[in-house]
Amino acid sequence: GAGVSQSPSNKVTEKGKDVELRCDPISGHTALYWYRQSLGQGLEFLIYFQGNSAPDKSGLPSDRFSAERTGGSVSTLTIQRTQQEDSAVYLCASSLGVAGLVDTQYFGPGTRLTVL
Amino acid sequence: AQSVTQLGSHVSVSEGALVLLRCNYSSSVPPYLFWYVQYPNQGLQLLLKYTSAATLVKGINGFEAEFKKSETSFHLTKPSAHMSDAAEYFCAVCDGGATNKLIFGTGTLLAVQP
Repeated sequence: GAGVSQSPSNKVTEKGKDVELRCDPISGHTALYWYRQSLGQGLEFLIYFQGNSAPDKSGLPSDRFSAERTGGSVSTLTIQRTQQEDSAVYLCASSLGVAGLVDTQYFGPGTRLTVL
Repeated sequence: AQSVTQLGSHVSVSEGALVLLRCNYSSSVPPYLFWYVQYPNQGLQLLLKYTSAATLVKGINGFEAEFKKSETSFHLTKPSAHMSDAAEYFCAVCDGGATNKLIFGTGTLLAVQP
């Protein structure tokens, strides 16, 4: 597609349930990022993929959070046993990922997660 | 570690007035700086970026920003505000490491009064 897409756009779940959030990056972009936007914490980095590898997972807040990327394309962020503090907008971004180059990250529209 | 500070969580201007949104950075290495805009219920859109070329950077929608090393600033300006500029604006610094992850400021919500 023309841009980064994310699904679902909205997700309401009950505390304790697992959720999966999907990101489709721009075709040909090897770098993929997940960020979280919440009222209390602002915009914060979660995880970075280069290809299918995740060399930087430093932003994942707990072991309930995990992510994978397959085929160098689609990525899924999984939150297990959701808690109310997980309520936020989860943003995905992709970039060309050229080594040594600080290229532009293009953001998707986000998934708004509400944990009841 | 890199960080950015945005002064003013809310800024209100009149239509046609100058827009000035402030951003100061902290970086131990030459920084790469970005301004993104977020319209309601949308993702982030890049306005402009500084990558150590010209210190005055022009972006989309008439916005520009000037990198001032002596002041560690990267303020965003637009000579004449338009109603459509009402949005939230985020300044960000790239961490400069292997990941190029972005570290964002807390954002400035711009209101434009008719």
